[in-house]
Amino acid sequence: EAGVTQFPSHSVIEKGQTVTLRCDPISGHDNLYWYRRVMGKEIKFLLHFVKESKQDESGMPNNRFLAERTGGTYSTLKVQPAELEDSGVYFCASSPTRQGVTQYFGPGTRLTVL
Amino acid sequence: GENVEQHPSTLSVQEGDSAVIKCTYSDSASNYFPWYKQELGKGPQLIIDIRSNVGEKKDQRIAVTLNKTAKHFSLHITETQPEDSAVYFCAASKGGSYIPTFGRGTSLIVHP
Repeated sequence: EAGVTQFPSHSVIEKGQTVTLRCDPISGHDNLYWYRRVMGKEIKFLLHFVKESKQDESGMPNNRFLAERTGGTYSTLKVQPAELEDSGVYFCASSPTRQGVTQYFGPGTRLTVL
Repeated sequence: GENVEQHPSTLSVQEGDSAVIKCTYSDSASNYFPWYKQELGKGPQLIIDIRSNVGEKKDQRIAVTLNKTAKHFSLHITETQPEDSAVYFCAASKGGSYIPTFGRGTSLIVHP
């Protein structure tokens, strides 16, 4: 069974540009989560999808971040326009149950905004 | 909201020694405490977890303890091996969505 995959693995962009991160969850997992880790700090929750619906987006930092999960399969996280403080590692995770106790994480996308 | 503190930030041990990582949490309603291991180039992977109705749980060389009264929990690794070198994260969550609040991570280095 393939794990959670994320693309790209690294992205370097300039302030003001747009970047789109993609996450492919484990097949059949209804729950999909996005997290972010800023250098040396804790991993912070951004949002949670159940299928194509946003269940909880309380962690989204501001309206420059837009997450979508059309069709309830893969998800994208767009940052527009990117700011310096958006740099960090963005993780995606998925889980199969309604209450996603065990979450399976992808390898992350390292975003650097210059 | 929940706040999780994790110590130490870096832990260096010799192969064969034990390693202990400690975490505290603030929300007494938290009832699920997973531990994740993140190896270089990979995402965090669940290695062990404990629920609030249990005081200790063991799985081979790793064990977790939970003190609900003091609101702290710990990860113990015995007979450490170089492949245990990684960043370890503790987390706390509660029923409903079980969205974890993570600690800042501990970089464990095991010297051969």
